[in-house]
Amino acid sequence: GAVVSQHPSWVICKSGTSVKIECRSLDFQATTMFWYRQFPKQSLMLMATSNEGSKATYEQGVEKDKFLINHASLTLSTLTVTSAHPEDSSFYICSARDARDLRYQETQYFGPGTRLLVL
Amino acid sequence: GEDVEQSLFLSVREGDSSVINCTYTDSSSTYLYWYKQEPGAGLQLLTYIFSNMDMKQDQRLTVLLNKKDKHLSLRIADTQTGDSAIYFCAESMGAGSYQLTFGKGTKLSVIP
Repeated sequence: GAVVSQHPSWVICKSGTSVKIECRSLDFQATTMFWYRQFPKQSLMLMATSNEGSKATYEQGVEKDKFLINHASLTLSTLTVTSAHPEDSSFYICSARDARDLRYQETQYFGPGTRLLVL
Repeated sequence: GEDVEQSLFLSVREGDSSVINCTYTDSSSTYLYWYKQEPGAGLQLLTYIFSNMDMKQDQRLTVLLNKKDKHLSLRIADTQTGDSAIYFCAESMGAGSYQLTFGKGTKLSVIP
């Protein structure tokens, strides 16, 4: 089956620093990747949709200058949390769609998530 | 607007059946999904159902869809301790719209 990895799996950083999270599709090409944020005991909130070779589409209320998304290749998307603050501490999950997947169910394959703690 | 509702907790005894319920508001939903999230992990797709179906069965999992009432349920037969997790219901509009709207998740606790 399709595998999506994330790196790092967890990160602790000081307030004011930037953190980069990678999302990779390991055995398929992903023209579209999604970035979600999950607070404790909450649902996943879509932050942005990342399309290979073009600018990401951000959801309302998500600061594009704070959460920089780059989707430079068909297997890699990165999310950079710039000038991180304690309120950015969260669980960040990416998902990816297989470019060859023409099935109607449009399945997304999820990464294992990255836990960010900003001190 | 889109809204997906789930009860937050469910506790069952090992060997019993679990039924997790979900309601959604958008009648144009095309696909409805059930995902499982174990502690500290990402989401695992369990099953999905197309909106023109009433039921789908996959081994111990049975999904029932009542489109009129916008109600979706997931039944897990012979629930095991390994089924303890958070279960998310999600909907998508399909037809090229890849975005998923998730419920808050139901935490299933299985008592040995």
